[in-house]
Amino acid sequence: KQEVTQIPAALSVPEGENLVLNCSFTDSAIYNLQWFRQDPGKGLTSLLLIQSSQREQTSGRLNASLDKSSGRSTLYIAASQPGDSATYLCAASDSGTYKYIFGTGTRLKVLA
Amino acid sequence: SAVISQKPSRDICQRGTSLTIQCQVDSQVTMMFWYRQQPGQSLTLIATANQGSEATYESGFVIDKFPISRPNLTFSTLTVSNMSPEDSSIYLCSAMGTGSFSYEQYFGPGTRLTVT
Repeated sequence: KQEVTQIPAALSVPEGENLVLNCSFTDSAIYNLQWFRQDPGKGLTSLLLIQSSQREQTSGRLNASLDKSSGRSTLYIAASQPGDSATYLCAASDSGTYKYIFGTGTRLKVLA
Repeated sequence: SAVISQKPSRDICQRGTSLTIQCQVDSQVTMMFWYRQQPGQSLTLIATANQGSEATYESGFVIDKFPISRPNLTFSTLTVSNMSPEDSSIYLCSAMGTGSFSYEQYFGPGTRLTVT
């Protein structure tokens, strides 16, 4: 069964800094990997979806990469802003299904 | 993309009672899921809601405790039965398989449940 780990658990950076969030998964037979953000008390907002045949996806200041062979994905945030402060969750599909297994998240705080 | 609404957004319930949570998607979707997020934790999949048939439950979750219905391609309900304080969580539904965004999973805003 798929297991997903995210490091670091928490991160505090000054505004303007570029940063990388890491996600590791144990089963490389994934269909999809998706990054979400969750604001306190809110639901999940989809950021980027990477399908198994893709290596990366970009949206604005966000770039997500996928390396199935090493079981890793990274979310790169350029020129961070206080509005980026949230918990970032990585979800990988579970062994030949479309069901998601979620990581424990990285709580990001961007200081003005 | 898909827009998902949930009702109620929050509720406070007494132990031993049941609560039914509704999930409505603004377009037909292939798959719908229910997740639980316990305080301070990440999301755990409860079950896949299957249209016209019984839901598929994950290990640790059973139909008697979490009965699920999915009568059509846009709507599902999750009931939390015989509640105890340990059921206090956020319950979220999600959907995937809509239009050209076939594999992206979208989430509702969640239902915050407190059991006293």
